[in-house]
Amino acid sequence: NAGVTQTPKFRILKIGQSMTLQCAQDMNHNYMYWYRQDPGMGLKLIYYSVGAGITDKGEVPNGYNVSRSTTEDFPLRLELAAPSQTSVYFCASSLLAGGPYEQYFGPGTRLTVT
Amino acid sequence: EDKVVQSPLSLVVHEGDTVTLNCSYEVTNFRSLLWYKQEKKAPTFLFMLTSSGIEKKSGRLSSILDKKELFSILNITATQTGDSAIYLCAGREGSGAGSYQLTFGKGTKLSVIP
Repeated sequence: NAGVTQTPKFRILKIGQSMTLQCAQDMNHNYMYWYRQDPGMGLKLIYYSVGAGITDKGEVPNGYNVSRSTTEDFPLRLELAAPSQTSVYFCASSLLAGGPYEQYFGPGTRLTVT
Repeated sequence: EDKVVQSPLSLVVHEGDTVTLNCSYEVTNFRSLLWYKQEKKAPTFLFMLTSSGIEKKSGRLSSILDKKELFSILNITATQTGDSAIYLCAGREGSGAGSYQLTFGKGTKLSVIP
């Protein structure tokens, strides 16, 4: 049971480049989330999804896009990378209902935009 | 706007000391409060609190919620160097479009020295 997995672990992008951060979970969770964590700051929600085909914006969605074509996968797309997007990105998932609401986190992707 | 404030932001103690970490929250349609421990990478779940006055315990860690005063505390007794981490508090909304969103505080960085 792998839980929540993320790839890549590290990435350096040049300004203006694009990339996709991958996230997958094998716990059959309906809810999935993307957070970013800047140094010395808490987590901020970028986007979330309540099930396949359904996504919505969080606190800081600008500059990002998501899709949820399957229950397992929730990729985060960065278009036209900017230095302000340098951060550590965490993907998380949780059960829909009838169970615990805690979120299970992936190991994170450290992204640097220069 | 939902807000979660943790204090202190950082704390240095000696092994064996007892520490109390604070978390105050203003969360629309509050449903629950969660505590996470973050060491090097992904946060790991500690507690979820939904009812006032009921202490949750896990070994040397315990936490309690006060829904009237809108705060929670996390206690760690007989601290060990392995307790060194950032402790994150998060408030969860309970209804509407944001019913699955967590609002995180900035965290308390705890350093336990031998």
